[in-house]
Amino acid sequence: KNEVEQSPQNLTAQEGEFITINCSYSVGISALHWLQQHPGGGIVSLFMLSSGKKKHGRLIATINIQEKHSSLHITASHPRDSAVYICAASSGYNTDKLIFGTGTRLQVFP
Amino acid sequence: DVKVTQSSRYLVKRTGEKVFLECVQDMDHENMFWYRQDPGLGLRLIYFSYDVKMKEKGDIPEGYSVSREKKERFSLILESASTNQTSMYLCASSFGTGSFNEQFFGPGTRLTVL
Repeated sequence: KNEVEQSPQNLTAQEGEFITINCSYSVGISALHWLQQHPGGGIVSLFMLSSGKKKHGRLIATINIQEKHSSLHITASHPRDSAVYICAASSGYNTDKLIFGTGTRLQVFP
Repeated sequence: DVKVTQSSRYLVKRTGEKVFLECVQDMDHENMFWYRQDPGLGLRLIYFSYDVKMKEKGDIPEGYSVSREKKERFSLILESASTNQTSMYLCASSFGTGSFNEQFFGPGTRLTVL
């Protein structure tokens, strides 16, 4: 069993739909990262959070430390949101090392 | 803007060749990382470096070595490439030490070993 697991692995949606991607982890963490990878390979950081909720535009990330679970929500999805979304956990307070999930491939159709 | 560049986007090599993958960052970051990404396995850490001339093994260092002679440059070396090293290789950098440091990624090098 992976220490960081994501679901679903693949997700298709129609433009405008509300999307949720889930991440569960089995290790103690100090921070949870959400990353986005577009076709072609480049990865960008979307959020880092250790508690509660963060919002940036149409993206919302939440984390429940007790349940060891985080979600990434996309409101009013758009074809340009099509990408692979990756969650990653920082397992220590004094380390930059990340444990990655295997990613969720999202396709949004017009 | 932070920029992390990698020497090649695509690379084709033959089994047994020595392969150098170069990564350069322009933001004076202390930390640099090399990952490989394979379908179904996600990103896995090969090596990382917290400072010039310092290196630490990640989760899958076998078959790889690294060099960090200058702060801005981190090289990944495949001493004798094998077909199971065909993969996407991603370099990243971050500032300082701690779990809240964002990692900035390069565009990746897709390596094929024939």
